[in-house]
Amino acid sequence: AQSVTQLGSHVSVSEGALVLLRCNYSSSVPPYLFWYVQYPNQGLQLLLKYTTGATLVKGINGFEAEFKKSETSFHLTKPSAHMSDAAEYFCAVIERGAQKLVFGQGTRLTINP
Amino acid sequence: GAGVSQTPSNKVTEKGKYVELRCDPISGHTALYWYRQSLGQGPEFLIYFQGTGAADDSGLPNDRFFAVRPEGSVSTLKIQRTERGDSAVYLCASSLTPVWGLGKTGELFFGEGSRLTVL
Repeated sequence: AQSVTQLGSHVSVSEGALVLLRCNYSSSVPPYLFWYVQYPNQGLQLLLKYTTGATLVKGINGFEAEFKKSETSFHLTKPSAHMSDAAEYFCAVIERGAQKLVFGQGTRLTINP
Repeated sequence: GAGVSQTPSNKVTEKGKYVELRCDPISGHTALYWYRQSLGQGPEFLIYFQGTGAADDSGLPNDRFFAVRPEGSVSTLKIQRTERGDSAVYLCASSLTPVWGLGKTGELFFGEGSRLTVL
């Protein structure tokens, strides 16, 4: 069964610093991969997704993620953190042909002024 | 409305009571999903509707949980004989078509959720 592991339930960075949120997946075949963001009292919002093609994917708000098949990873990065990036981030995976999105446990990102 | 609407936003009930949670998807979206998010966890899949039928209900934890979508639009998640362990945020999401498959990479739109507290 496919699963997603997000390393670090809480990550804290300074404003302007690099953001790195880690995601590893287990799947028998290359899956589709997603990052969602959840701001307080709001619904989940899609940040970016990898399906096929270029392994470096750019999303909204300056975030990007790179699919590394050899490492079964899909880490999320942003070069310079902004206070407005404070939120909960979820990595998710779906096997091709399936209809169930499987989420990781989430990483809460805190930005320090 | 423009987005997925869920009501109530908050529900407090007593152990053993019956609860209904409603989801109003984006107009025209044929696929509808229910997820449950417990504190400190990621969303867990409950059930997926394509049109009026439940295409996959493998995530429903037990027979106390049931969901319907009689006209292929609004869906209701029903929980009988609630238990304290049912306390969670219940998320609904919709998409224009079945979201994923070979060559399909649609987007799932989530509502803000219904927070259920069972005392």
